[in-house]
Amino acid sequence: KQEVTQIPAALSVPEGENLVLNCSFTDSAIYNLQWFRQDPGKGLTSLLLIQSSQREQTSGRLNASLDKSSGRSTLYIAASQPGDSATYLCAALDTGNQFYFGTGTSLTVIP
Amino acid sequence: GAVVSQHPSWVICKSGTSVKIECRSLDFQATTMFWYRQFPKQSLMLMATSNEGSKATYEQGVEKDKFLINHASLTLSTLTVTSAHPEDSSFYICSAPGPFGAGELFFGEGSRLTVL
Repeated sequence: KQEVTQIPAALSVPEGENLVLNCSFTDSAIYNLQWFRQDPGKGLTSLLLIQSSQREQTSGRLNASLDKSSGRSTLYIAASQPGDSATYLCAALDTGNQFYFGTGTSLTVIP
Repeated sequence: GAVVSQHPSWVICKSGTSVKIECRSLDFQATTMFWYRQFPKQSLMLMATSNEGSKATYEQGVEKDKFLINHASLTLSTLTVTSAHPEDSSFYICSAPGPFGAGELFFGEGSRLTVL
């Protein structure tokens, strides 16, 4: 069964820093990997989607990479802002149409 | 496009009553929707997969008679928590695969249920 892990569970950085969030998955047979943002008491907002054939996707200050062979994806946030403070989750979609969610990384950007 | 809306955002009810939560795909059709439960500071726990025109598929350990799911149309799925008890208090979220064929998930805003 696919297992998705996110490390660290929590991260606190000063405003302006570049940072990397990590997502690991045990089964490389995935269809895609998706990164989400969740604000307290809210649903999940899709940030980036990487198909299994892709290596990375970019949107504004966000860049997500995918290395299927090593079972890793990273979310890079450039020039972090206090508004980036949220919980970030990754989810892997396997070839059987099952979604597996990571445990999330709680990010705090300090002004 | 690909907006999923959930209603209500907040609901408080008395123990023993039933509560219905709606999940709608606003600008696309969704033959499948997912219902999750989320406890504080934890990730999402898949409860069931809602299928339009057929019975929902429940995850192991989820009581189907307790959490009734009805996928009434291609744009609406409902979750009814029957005979709610305080331990059912939680954050419930729905999602649906988008219409773009890429397996991208779109989520509702979530519903906070508090059972007194």
